[in-house]
Amino acid sequence: AQKITQTQPGMFVQEKEAVTLDCTYDTSDPSYGLFWYKQPSSGEMIFLIYQGSYDQQNATEGRYSLNFQKARKSANLVISASQLGDSAMYFCAMRERNQGGKLIFGQGTELSVKP
Amino acid sequence: DAGVTQSPTHLIKTRGQQVTLRCSPKSGHDTVSWYQQALGQGPQFIFQYYEEEERQRGNFPDRFSGHQFPNYSSELNVNALLLGDSALYLCASSLGAVQETQYFGPGTRLLVL
Repeated sequence: AQKITQTQPGMFVQEKEAVTLDCTYDTSDPSYGLFWYKQPSSGEMIFLIYQGSYDQQNATEGRYSLNFQKARKSANLVISASQLGDSAMYFCAMRERNQGGKLIFGQGTELSVKP
Repeated sequence: DAGVTQSPTHLIKTRGQQVTLRCSPKSGHDTVSWYQQALGQGPQFIFQYYEEEERQRGNFPDRFSGHQFPNYSSELNVNALLLGDSALYLCASSLGAVQETQYFGPGTRLLVL
Protein backbone atom coordinates (compact mmCIF):
# COMPACT_ATOMS: atom_id res chain seq x y z
CA ALA A 1 0.00 0.00 0.00
CA GLN A 2 1.16 3.50 -0.79
CA LYS A 3 2.25 5.34 2.31
CA ILE A 4 2.16 8.75 0.63
CA THR A 5 -0.24 9.54 -2.18
CA GLN A 6 -0.14 12.61 -4.35
CA THR A 7 -3.01 12.34 -6.78
CA GLN A 8 -2.22 15.38 -8.95
CA PRO A 9 0.58 14.58 -11.41
CA GLY A 10 0.41 18.14 -12.77
CA MET A 11 -1.17 21.43 -11.78
CA PHE A 12 -1.44 24.85 -13.40
CA VAL A 13 -1.93 28.11 -11.53
CA GLN A 14 -2.04 31.73 -12.61
CA GLU A 15 0.65 33.99 -11.20
CA LYS A 16 -0.41 35.70 -7.95
CA GLU A 17 -3.15 33.16 -7.28
CA ALA A 18 -3.15 30.55 -4.51
CA VAL A 19 -2.82 26.83 -5.19
CA THR A 20 -3.33 23.70 -3.10
CA LEU A 21 -1.28 20.55 -3.66
CA ASP A 22 -2.83 17.41 -2.22
CA CYS A 23 -1.15 14.78 -0.08
CA THR A 24 -2.66 11.87 1.81
CA TYR A 25 -0.72 9.46 3.97
CA ASP A 26 -1.13 6.13 5.65
CA THR A 27 0.45 5.17 8.95
CA SER A 28 -0.40 3.39 12.16
CA ASP A 29 2.41 5.09 14.05
CA PRO A 30 0.96 7.79 16.33
CA SER A 31 4.19 9.79 16.10
CA TYR A 32 5.17 10.97 12.65
CA GLY A 33 6.23 14.03 10.73
CA LEU A 34 5.11 15.34 7.38
CA PHE A 35 7.32 17.35 5.05
CA TRP A 36 7.01 19.18 1.78
CA TYR A 37 9.97 19.62 -0.54
CA LYS A 38 10.32 21.56 -3.78
CA GLN A 39 12.48 20.18 -6.57
CA PRO A 40 13.33 22.55 -9.43
CA SER A 41 14.66 21.16 -12.68
CA SER A 42 18.19 21.48 -11.28
CA GLY A 43 17.43 18.49 -9.04
CA GLU A 44 18.05 19.79 -5.54
CA MET A 45 15.30 19.05 -3.02
CA ILE A 46 14.48 22.23 -1.12
CA PHE A 47 12.79 21.90 2.27
CA LEU A 48 9.63 24.00 2.53
CA ILE A 49 7.60 23.11 5.61
CA TYR A 50 7.17 20.55 8.39
CA GLN A 51 4.18 19.38 10.43
CA GLY A 52 4.45 17.06 13.41
CA SER A 53 1.64 14.67 14.20
CA TYR A 54 1.15 16.20 17.64
CA ASP A 55 1.26 19.81 16.49
CA GLN A 56 -1.98 21.54 17.35
CA GLN A 57 -1.70 24.28 14.77
CA ASN A 58 -1.15 24.11 11.03
CA ALA A 59 2.42 24.94 10.06
CA THR A 60 3.18 28.10 8.12
CA GLU A 61 6.40 29.34 6.51
CA GLY A 62 6.07 32.57 4.58
CA ARG A 63 3.86 31.91 1.54
CA TYR A 64 3.62 28.21 2.39
CA SER A 65 1.09 26.71 4.76
CA LEU A 66 0.17 23.15 5.49
CA ASN A 67 -3.49 22.23 5.81
CA PHE A 68 -3.19 19.31 8.25
CA GLN A 69 -6.32 17.21 8.71
CA LYS A 70 -5.25 14.37 10.96
CA ALA A 71 -8.52 12.43 10.95
CA ARG A 72 -8.52 12.44 7.14
CA LYS A 73 -4.76 11.72 7.04
CA SER A 74 -4.18 14.59 4.68
CA ALA A 75 -1.44 17.21 4.63
CA ASN A 76 -2.09 19.56 1.75
CA LEU A 77 0.37 22.30 0.84
CA VAL A 78 -1.06 25.73 0.15
CA ILE A 79 1.07 28.22 -1.75
CA SER A 80 -0.30 31.75 -1.65
CA ALA A 81 0.42 34.45 -4.23
CA SER A 82 2.14 32.10 -6.69
CA GLN A 83 5.28 33.31 -8.41
CA LEU A 84 6.89 32.16 -11.66
CA GLY A 85 9.77 30.76 -9.61
CA ASP A 86 7.36 28.38 -7.88
CA SER A 87 7.22 26.25 -11.04
CA ALA A 88 8.78 22.93 -9.96
CA MET A 89 8.05 19.42 -8.72
CA TYR A 90 6.64 19.26 -5.21
CA PHE A 91 7.03 16.19 -3.01
CA CYS A 92 5.21 15.27 0.14
CA ALA A 93 7.14 13.03 2.52
CA MET A 94 6.57 11.29 5.83
CA ARG A 95 8.83 10.12 8.59
CA GLU A 96 7.45 7.62 11.09
CA ARG A 97 9.05 7.52 14.52
CA ASN A 98 9.20 3.72 14.58
CA GLN A 99 10.99 3.77 11.21
CA GLY A 100 13.85 5.96 12.38
CA GLY A 101 15.11 8.67 10.07
CA LYS A 102 13.81 7.28 6.79
CA LEU A 103 11.74 9.65 4.67
CA ILE A 104 9.02 8.13 2.49
CA PHE A 105 8.14 10.24 -0.53
CA GLY A 106 5.11 10.50 -2.75
CA GLN A 107 5.27 10.54 -6.54
CA GLY A 108 5.24 14.31 -6.69
CA THR A 109 3.13 17.01 -8.32
CA GLU A 110 4.48 19.18 -11.10
CA LEU A 111 3.35 22.76 -10.63
CA SER A 112 3.42 25.22 -13.51
CA VAL A 113 2.82 28.91 -12.81
CA LYS A 114 1.48 30.87 -15.76
CA PRO A 115 2.21 34.60 -16.21
CA ASP B 1 26.75 28.71 6.01
CA ALA B 2 27.70 25.94 3.58
CA GLY B 3 24.88 23.68 2.52
CA VAL B 4 25.08 20.03 1.56
CA THR B 5 27.54 19.42 -1.26
CA GLN B 6 27.84 16.40 -3.52
CA SER B 7 30.38 15.28 -6.09
CA PRO B 8 30.53 14.63 -8.91
CA THR B 9 27.49 16.35 -10.40
CA HIS B 10 27.26 13.94 -13.33
CA LEU B 11 28.75 10.54 -14.02
CA ILE B 12 28.59 8.05 -16.88
CA LYS B 13 29.53 4.40 -16.27
CA THR B 14 29.08 1.11 -18.05
CA ARG B 15 27.39 -2.00 -16.75
CA GLY B 16 29.45 -4.01 -14.30
CA GLN B 17 31.58 -1.07 -13.22
CA GLN B 18 31.78 0.36 -9.73
CA VAL B 19 31.05 3.95 -8.69
CA THR B 20 31.69 6.12 -5.62
CA LEU B 21 29.62 9.19 -4.86
CA ARG B 22 30.57 11.72 -2.20
CA CYS B 23 28.65 13.97 0.15
CA SER B 24 29.62 16.66 2.63
CA PRO B 25 26.89 17.53 5.12
CA LYS B 26 25.63 20.97 6.02
CA SER B 27 27.76 22.68 8.64
CA GLY B 28 26.82 21.44 12.11
CA HIS B 29 25.07 18.28 10.89
CA ASP B 30 26.22 14.81 11.89
CA THR B 31 23.87 12.47 10.03
CA VAL B 32 23.84 11.63 6.33
CA SER B 33 21.09 9.83 4.43
CA TRP B 34 21.23 8.67 0.82
CA TYR B 35 18.31 8.44 -1.60
CA GLN B 36 17.91 7.18 -5.16
CA GLN B 37 15.50 9.01 -7.43
CA ALA B 38 14.62 7.33 -10.70
CA LEU B 39 13.25 9.49 -13.49
CA GLY B 40 9.67 10.55 -12.79
CA GLN B 41 9.63 9.04 -9.31
CA GLY B 42 9.96 10.22 -5.75
CA PRO B 43 13.24 9.54 -3.93
CA GLN B 44 13.74 6.10 -2.37
CA PHE B 45 15.69 5.74 0.87
CA ILE B 46 18.94 3.77 0.55
CA PHE B 47 20.54 4.09 3.98
CA GLN B 48 21.48 6.45 6.77
CA TYR B 49 24.80 6.97 8.55
CA TYR B 50 25.23 8.32 12.04
CA GLU B 51 28.35 8.14 14.21
CA GLU B 52 30.15 6.40 11.34
CA GLU B 53 27.74 3.48 11.36
CA GLU B 54 24.91 2.45 9.07
CA ARG B 55 21.87 3.00 11.27
CA GLN B 56 19.08 2.18 8.90
CA ARG B 57 18.77 0.64 5.47
CA GLY B 58 16.09 0.69 2.82
CA ASN B 59 15.20 -2.06 0.39
CA PHE B 60 18.41 -2.00 -1.65
CA PRO B 61 20.77 -4.90 -2.43
CA ASP B 62 24.15 -5.12 -0.78
CA ARG B 63 25.75 -3.89 -4.01
CA PHE B 64 24.96 -0.55 -2.40
CA SER B 65 27.30 0.24 0.45
CA GLY B 66 28.48 3.32 2.23
CA HIS B 67 30.78 4.88 4.67
CA GLN B 68 30.84 7.87 6.98
CA PHE B 69 34.08 9.56 7.95
CA PRO B 70 34.99 11.23 11.27
CA ASN B 71 34.27 14.65 9.72
CA TYR B 72 30.71 13.39 8.98
CA SER B 73 31.17 13.32 5.21
CA SER B 74 29.95 10.20 3.49
CA GLU B 75 30.43 8.02 0.43
CA LEU B 76 27.97 5.85 -1.43
CA ASN B 77 29.46 2.94 -3.35
CA VAL B 78 27.62 0.90 -5.93
CA ASN B 79 29.22 -2.27 -7.30
CA ALA B 80 28.38 -4.26 -10.41
CA LEU B 81 26.34 -1.45 -11.92
CA LEU B 82 23.10 -2.29 -13.70
CA LEU B 83 21.23 -0.19 -16.25
CA GLY B 84 18.52 0.24 -13.62
CA ASP B 85 20.94 2.02 -11.33
CA SER B 86 20.72 5.07 -13.59
CA ALA B 87 19.18 7.74 -11.39
CA LEU B 88 19.70 10.94 -9.44
CA TYR B 89 21.43 10.13 -6.15
CA LEU B 90 20.58 12.56 -3.40
CA CYS B 91 22.39 13.03 -0.14
CA ALA B 92 20.62 14.62 2.81
CA SER B 93 22.07 15.74 6.12
CA SER B 94 20.51 16.41 9.50
CA LEU B 95 21.45 16.97 13.11
CA GLY B 96 20.66 13.65 14.72
CA ALA B 97 19.41 10.48 13.16
CA VAL B 98 15.69 10.67 13.73
CA GLN B 99 13.91 13.85 14.64
CA GLU B 100 15.40 16.66 12.66
CA THR B 101 14.65 17.94 9.18
CA GLN B 102 16.80 16.56 6.39
CA TYR B 103 18.41 19.04 4.01
CA PHE B 104 19.37 17.82 0.58
CA GLY B 105 22.30 18.42 -1.71
CA PRO B 106 22.10 19.03 -5.46
CA GLY B 107 22.48 15.36 -6.29
CA THR B 108 24.67 13.28 -8.58
CA ARG B 109 23.17 12.17 -11.88
CA LEU B 110 24.42 8.69 -12.72
CA LEU B 111 23.93 7.20 -16.16
CA VAL B 112 24.78 3.54 -16.66
CA LEU B 113 25.24 2.45 -20.29
